[in-house]
Amino acid sequence: DTGVSQDPRHKITKRGQNVTFRCDPISEHNRLYWYRQTLGQGPEFLTYFQNEAQLEKSRLLSDRFSAERPKGSFSTLEIQRTEQGDSAMYLCASSLEGGNQPQHFGDGTRLSIL
Amino acid sequence: AQSVSQHNHHVILSEAASLELGCNYSYGGTVNLFWYVQYPGQHLQLLLKYFSGDPLVKGIKGFEAEFIKSKFSFNLRKPSVQWSDTAEYFCASRSSNTGKLIFGQGTTLQVKP
Repeated sequence: DTGVSQDPRHKITKRGQNVTFRCDPISEHNRLYWYRQTLGQGPEFLTYFQNEAQLEKSRLLSDRFSAERPKGSFSTLEIQRTEQGDSAMYLCASSLEGGNQPQHFGDGTRLSIL
Repeated sequence: AQSVSQHNHHVILSEAASLELGCNYSYGGTVNLFWYVQYPGQHLQLLLKYFSGDPLVKGIKGFEAEFIKSKFSFNLRKPSVQWSDTAEYFCASRSSNTGKLIFGQGTTLQVKP
């Protein structure tokens, strides 16, 4: 168990640029989740996949956000035309399918918008 | 909509003091409940979870939590804290028909040696 891996750990970009983050889940986990965490708050759900199917998306996920998991393994989260309000920690988690399976979190990608 | 609230935002204790962190959830159906901990510079880690059965749940590092359905509460407890328990603690719920976790805003625990 190598854990959930996220890349990069920190991304600094100018407002209006596009950014893409990658998440590699624990290898046998078929569920993958994205959350966003701002300072002083708990993580907020963005979206999740079961294998390659995106099963649920939050209203927080505006048209500028898109997530993919094309082969049911790693996932990418892209933010287009970044805004100041996008500055946050983006967390990825994975789990086995099943109601009693806990989610395992990665270290996150911290996005800073200049 | 589901929500989770944590009453204590910042708690400061001396070593060996007892700890209780409050958590209330809003969902009226079948719900799974979790406590996660985030040590400084580390990722979120699962402390304990409740799905069904015995409402008193024991987790790692001497932590426990009690599910009280009538109060919609899932408070975290530890009889005697250590300096190494300094961390941020998050309560979370998940309804049985969705995969997503709903987190509270977190409680920062500072334990003084």
